[in-house]
Amino acid sequence: SQQGEEDPQALSIQEGENATMNCSYKTSINNLQWYRQNSGRGLVHLILIRSNEREKHSGRLRVTLDTSKKSSSLLITASRAADTASYFCATGKGADKLIFGTGTRLQVFP
Amino acid sequence: KAGVTQTPRYLIKTRGQQVTLSCSPISGHRSVSWYQQTPGQGLQFLFEYFSETQRNKGNFPGRFSGRQFSNSRSEMNVSTLELGDSALYLCASSRGTGDGTEAFFGQGTRLTVV
Repeated sequence: SQQGEEDPQALSIQEGENATMNCSYKTSINNLQWYRQNSGRGLVHLILIRSNEREKHSGRLRVTLDTSKKSSSLLITASRAADTASYFCATGKGADKLIFGTGTRLQVFP
Repeated sequence: KAGVTQTPRYLIKTRGQQVTLSCSPISGHRSVSWYQQTPGQGLQFLFEYFSETQRNKGNFPGRFSGRQFSNSRSEMNVSTLELGDSALYLCASSRGTGDGTEAFFGQGTRLTVV
């Protein structure tokens, strides 16, 4: 079963625009991770945010976490065509037994 | 350093057959986890091995099994294949030392059962 839902399920934007994806989860967590998956391929780890953190940045990525609302958001700024992929949030203890959300399919048009 | 390697990349099997998938983790990583990805169920955790011992198991039938060798390489086996087993099977490796440990994924094995 999935830990949570991601919203929106699909997102289409133009290059240069920002993309925001949201993730909600059900149980209390120690940390939350975001992954990217290019079509039918493996997952690439983007960022991990711990439960005692509220915001984290990595390059063009900004992740927020609101444990009171059991939600997280991923913001990609100044998007590029190469950002086209599916994005998943995942919760779990470290890398073991990750529980993934349903994913957001992002399409960035040149 | 080399990433997580999964073999084979693609596989076609017939219902009722069995299949073995292989995963070589990143050097020094002792934890290997397996996930199944399907359009209907999304990404689901199968099991995790650490130092040759199964440490966690997901909610899958006993037809799905795995093992880990002393060099941390892992195999998963699916017996009596069903059409619904068609999926992308992903392997992830990590140091396995606890909370906040990043998982590195392989490219996956796409299994098609006909």
